[in-house]
Amino acid sequence: DSGVTQTPKHLITATGQRVTLRCSPRSGDLSVYWYQQSLDQGLQFLIQYYNGEERAKGNILERFSAQQFPDLHSELNLSSLELGDSALYFCASSVLGQGNYGYTFGSGTRLTVV
Amino acid sequence: KNQVEQSPQSLIILEGKNCTLQCNYTVSPFSNLRWYKQDTGRGPVSLTIMTFSENTKSNGRYTATLDADTKQSSLHITASQLSDSASYICVVIKTTGGSYIPTFGRGTSLIVHP
Repeated sequence: DSGVTQTPKHLITATGQRVTLRCSPRSGDLSVYWYQQSLDQGLQFLIQYYNGEERAKGNILERFSAQQFPDLHSELNLSSLELGDSALYFCASSVLGQGNYGYTFGSGTRLTVV
Repeated sequence: KNQVEQSPQSLIILEGKNCTLQCNYTVSPFSNLRWYKQDTGRGPVSLTIMTFSENTKSNGRYTATLDADTKQSSLHITASQLSDSASYICVVIKTTGGSYIPTFGRGTSLIVHP
C-alpha cells in the first residue's frame, strides 16, 4: 500500500457520460498529480494541484477538469466520454510542489468506455 | 513527438544476468530525471531521481547513470530476479514558468526467465 488511495478501482461507462475519479494523497503530501496511461500513448501528465491550487497543466483535454479540496483530496472529472478515453488513470502525490521531490503513485482507476 | 526515447522496447533475460536499459531525451530546460518500475496494472514505483549534477545513483541492485551533456541515461540491473519482470519507465522533468512538467518515455518491458 503506497498510501495514495484511488477510487473506484474499475469503472465501466457509456460514451457521452460523465465520471468522477477520486484520489486521497499520502498523509502529509500537499501536491496531487493526475496521469493518464493508455496502451498507445504511455503515461501522460494531465494536471497538478498544490495545496488546493492548480500548479501545472499538461495534456489535459477541455472535457476533463480537476480540483483539490481543503482536505487535500482531489477529484478528476471526465465528461462527454469517448471510446478513446478508456485508460488507466493514476494519481500521485508528493510533499511539496517542486519538481525534485519524488511522487508516490496510487494503484489507479481503470476506466472503460463502451 | 515524444521527447523521451527508451530502448530497447522489450528485453528478455535469464535470471541472474545483468542488463542495461537506455533513455535518450531532448526535454529542456532540464530539472531532473527519474526511473520508475511499473508492474502490470499497478502504479509506477520510484527507483531513482537524479538532478543535473548527479552522474550516478544506486538503489540496491539498480544503478542509474546520467550524462546531461549528451542527454542520455541508463538503468543497470544487476543479478536479475524474477520479480524484476516489469516495465521500466524513464521520466524527464522540465521547468517552465515555475512549474515542473514530466515527460514520460514509453518504457522498456523486461521479462526475466528462470
